[in-house]
Amino acid sequence: ETGVTQTPRHLVMGMTNKKSLKCEQHLGHNAMYWYKQSAKKPLELMFVYSLEERVENNSVPSRFSPECPNSSHLFLHLHTLQPEDSALYLCASSQDGGLAGGVTDTQYFGPGTRLTVL
Amino acid sequence: AQKVTQAQTEISVVEKEDVTLDCVYETRDTTYYLFWYKQPPSGELVFLIRRNSFDEQNEISGRYSWNFQKSTSSFNFTITASQVVDSAVYFCALSEAEDTDKLIFGTGTRLQVFP
Repeated sequence: ETGVTQTPRHLVMGMTNKKSLKCEQHLGHNAMYWYKQSAKKPLELMFVYSLEERVENNSVPSRFSPECPNSSHLFLHLHTLQPEDSALYLCASSQDGGLAGGVTDTQYFGPGTRLTVL
Repeated sequence: AQKVTQAQTEISVVEKEDVTLDCVYETRDTTYYLFWYKQPPSGELVFLIRRNSFDEQNEISGRYSWNFQKSTSSFNFTITASQVVDSAVYFCALSEAEDTDKLIFGTGTRLQVFP
């Protein structure tokens, strides 16, 4: 496997379910990101992890809970979601993230998980 | 405040036509980075180019070219001799040196290339 992978690619869940999205990067990067892409809205940054520590939480509701057990894996745990949470959830990684000291690293994205909340 | 505007929501062209996708940005930072990504129907954002604010040289990569003009805060993207495989949503994005974790995306331009 190369690049950034995400599983599952599609997920349908009820509002009372608990599910998790998984992201794995094979690029040797130290920073990982979760984005939400809703129809007709710009991509929204949700969380940033750098060296497995959360460095950004962009006012995301607590029903979204990220986990980064190591620099290659990132999870997004979902519980009691709302229909408006239906979206494409994209994971990305970059070499150093905010540790690069004022230099923005290029972010490389996975294919996304298409989430539908019924 | 940082902002990226892609005024063209959707563009349709016929194969072999040239097409330019516009991107206008706003930032108060003197050091910043601009990006273009392509999102085909499969969903994955594919990185195309990164440019820092100190490098105003235009860039050409095959059929793709980018025109960066600080005077008009624009970073436009031109595809020459478009092909059906170029059909996708294209996103312009901005990142400031003061907040390098954050990519501010435009709303995207959907390009449809017809045979």
